Amino acid sequence: AQSVTQLDSQVPVFEEAPVELRCNYSSSVSVYLFWYVQYPNQGLQLLLKYLSGSTLVESINGFEAEFNKSQTSFHLRKPSVHISDTAEYFCAVSDVGGSQGNLIFGKGTKLSVKP
Amino acid sequence: DSGVTQTPKHLITATGQRVTLRCSPRSGDLSVYWYQQSLDQGLQFLIQYYNGEERAKGNILERFSAQQFPDLHSELNLSSLELGDSALYFCASSVTTGYVETQYFGPGTRLLVL
Repeated sequence: AQSVTQLDSQVPVFEEAPVELRCNYSSSVSVYLFWYVQYPNQGLQLLLKYLSGSTLVESINGFEAEFNKSQTSFHLRKPSVHISDTAEYFCAVSDVGGSQGNLIFGKGTKLSVKP
Repeated sequence: DSGVTQTPKHLITATGQRVTLRCSPRSGDLSVYWYQQSLDQGLQFLIQYYNGEERAKGNILERFSAQQFPDLHSELNLSSLELGDSALYFCASSVTTGYVETQYFGPGTRLLVL
C-alpha cells in the first residue's frame, strides 16, 4: 500500500519569495507522482506530474518538482510566488501499470502568499 | 475548466436522508472516480467505474453506492446520512496515454448534513 506525507499543513510566505512544499511517499512498487492545486472554492487542477524520464518536471505557471527516488520525495518549488498562488496543494501517487489507477493523496499544504 | 461536470454544487439535507450526486465525465473518458474530501480524513478515494463496470473500491461505506450509466455519466448515492458525511465530493474522469492514466477533477458537490 502507498502513502503520502505532506510535512507542512500550512506555509505562509511573502510575495516574490521562494517556496518549497514538501512531499514524501511510501510505496513497495514504482509510482507515478502528481501535484494538484485547489484554489479557494474550486475543484482540483492538475499542476504537474512525474511519470518517467527526467526527474525534474515543470508546470506552465513556474512551479517545478523534482523526483528523488532515494529520498522518496517529490517536493514542489517555485522561485518567486505571487498572490495568485494562494491555494491548497496536494501531492498524490498512483501505481505504475497497476490495476488501480486511484490516487492516494497527502493531507494537503495550504500556501498563503502575503503582500 | 476540466470538462468534468458535477451537480448539484451544493446540497443541504438532514440526517437519515438519501441523496444522489451526479457526474458527467469529459467527452471520450471511460473511467470515473469518486473521492470524498473532509477536514479530518482529507481526500479519500471511494470508487472507480470503467465503461459501466466497477473497477476498484476504496474507503467507501456500505451506505454509499455508485453506478455508471451507458452514456458514461455516473451517480453516487449516499443513504442513511450522518453528520460525518458532510464533505466535498469530487468526481474525476481519466484519460490513458500509453500506460499512463491522468485524472481530471470536477468542481465538486458540497454536502452538508444537518
